[in-house]
Amino acid sequence: QKEVEQNSGPLSVPEGAIASLNCTYSDRVSQSFFWYRQYSGKSPELIMSIYSNGDKEDGRFTAQLNKASQYVSLLIRDSQPSDSATYLCAAKPPGANNLFFGTGTRLTVIP
Amino acid sequence: DTEVTQTPKHLVMGMTNKKSLKCEQHMGHRAMYWYKQKAKKPPELMFVYSYEKLSINESVPSRFSPECPNSSLLNLHLHALQPEDSALYLCASSQIAGGPGEQFFGPGTRLTVL
Repeated sequence: QKEVEQNSGPLSVPEGAIASLNCTYSDRVSQSFFWYRQYSGKSPELIMSIYSNGDKEDGRFTAQLNKASQYVSLLIRDSQPSDSATYLCAAKPPGANNLFFGTGTRLTVIP
Repeated sequence: DTEVTQTPKHLVMGMTNKKSLKCEQHMGHRAMYWYKQKAKKPPELMFVYSYEKLSINESVPSRFSPECPNSSLLNLHLHALQPEDSALYLCASSQIAGGPGEQFFGPGTRLTVL
């Protein structure tokens, strides 16, 4: 059973703070990990992908991967109200055709 | 251009209707996907096309019929749907199926079955 787990939230942070979103996965062989942002009523938008242990930074977003702990996280610095959305974590084992999604974490950034 | 397009944006249909959802990508991707997403749930995979051939059908009822006319287009034909089929239908693409790369989603079609 390939499971990806996220805290469903809701997670509320004040504007300008760091939002920390966490995800664990059960399939040790998974090698590709993705964070999608989904606004209410819209489709998932890919914001980060990470394949190696360590940190990957893109603007205000930092993805962190720890394969030994089977843990992926997303940090959003200087959170803005426009970051309010549901964040989906996804894992992809090698050779798998599909993504395995977590249930998503609802983030609210309070002005 | 990382864009997947879908039409229509919204669709309302009766249980006896036949309709089609359309998806197009021009990124040269050779894998295309249909997902179904219910409210407050993650996307659920329905079908995978790899090099224009159906490679995965996740036990989807036959009232959903996919078609891949060419490497850029993907259709989902709908017939005799049930109200519980109302959902957001998402098309996605990636360079290849089974590879490590990213999947990009289209804007979706919001389907309501009356």
